[in-house]
Order: sequence, then structure tokens, then C-alpha cells
Amino acid sequence: AQSVAQPEDQVNVAEGNPLTVKCTYSVSGNPYLFWYVQYPNRGLQFLLKYITGDNLVKGSYGFEAEFNKSQTSFHLKKPSALVSDSALYFCAVRVAIPGYSTLTFGKGTMLLVSP
Amino acid sequence: DAGVIQSPRHEVTEMGQEVTLRCKPISGHDYLFWYRQTMMRGLELLIYFNNNVPIDDSGMPEDRFSAKMPNASFSTLKIQPSEPRDSAVYFCASSKRYEQFFGPGTRLTVL
Repeated sequence: AQSVAQPEDQVNVAEGNPLTVKCTYSVSGNPYLFWYVQYPNRGLQFLLKYITGDNLVKGSYGFEAEFNKSQTSFHLKKPSALVSDSALYFCAVRVAIPGYSTLTFGKGTMLLVSP
Repeated sequence: DAGVIQSPRHEVTEMGQEVTLRCKPISGHDYLFWYRQTMMRGLELLIYFNNNVPIDDSGMPEDRFSAKMPNASFSTLKIQPSEPRDSAVYFCASSKRYEQFFGPGTRLTVL
């Protein structure tokens, strides 16, 4: 079985400060890892993914995430937060196998960026 | 590309009525997923298709739920009869290989 843990229900950060949204995962085998963002009354929007290669992946809107295999983590980061980054963020994992495997999502972390 | 298209965006119905949600995936994507999102249970995978064939429907909560994909550009999720506990946001997503792309969702309210 695979699982994702997002230990913080909410993260508060001031505009201009760096932000981190935490994610740890459990999977039998190598993982494919993803971050999605959901704005109010909208669908989930893909931000970035780790498939293989460089542990630091860069995505949309200045976000990046670092894959750490030993700590089974994939934390989302941004050097300077914007008020417009306020949204619900989901981490997701699936096992890397030939063909397709289903995606398991975390419960989400609400990011609130204050002016 | 217009992205994943879902209709209707909002649906309000009464208990016992049939509800049909519709989805048009991104052209060229051969995987299609139906999810349900609630505050209590988060995001749940209901069913997914590959090349129009249902692969895993273990997430479908009851026999009242059914899904079809008659061709590569259209899928439906049907609830019959609907119950108040079915109230949720239903998302359709499509994928070609790695990431999934989500539609805007259908907010279903069953009174």
C-alpha cells in the first residue's frame, strides 16, 4: 500500500518570506511524486513532479521541491511567498512501475500568505 | 487545448433522483479518472479507465454509482438513486503518462 502524509493542516507565512509545505510518503518501490495546488472552487492544478534524475525539481510559479529518498520526503518550497500563493496544496505519490499505477493524495495543506 | 471539460459545474437535485455528470478529457490522453472530494474524506479515486476500458472501480462506493466511457472523448458518472451523502465535488482528470490534469469539477448537492 502507498500513502502520503502532509503533517500540517495549515501553514502561515508573511509575503516575501520563504515557504515550505511538508510531505512524506510511503511506497513499495521507487516513487513518482507530484504537487498540485487547488484554488477555491477550482480543480487541482499540476505544479511539479519528480520522476527520476535531479533531486531538486522546479515547477510552475517559482515553486520547487526536493526529493529526499532517505527521509522519504518531497517538501514543496518557494524562496519568496506571494499573497496569491494562498491556496490548498496536495502532495501525491504513485509507485514507478511499467504501465500505470494509481495516484494517492495527501489530505492537503492550506497555505495562507499574509500581506 | 481547452483542458478537461466537465458539465454541469453545479447540480442541485432531490434525494432519489438520477444524476449524470459528464467529462471530456484532453485529446490524446488515454487515461481518465473520476474523483470525489469532501471535507471529511478528502480526495477519493472512484474509478479509472485506460483506452475507454474500466481498469479499477474499487473506489466506487455503491452499486448506485456507475461510470461509462463510450469513446475516447467522453465519459459519464451516474448516480441512481442519489442520496444526501453523495453531496460532494466530483472531479474528472485525464493523463497520458505521468501527471494528471483535472477538470474544474461538478459541485453536487443532493437535498
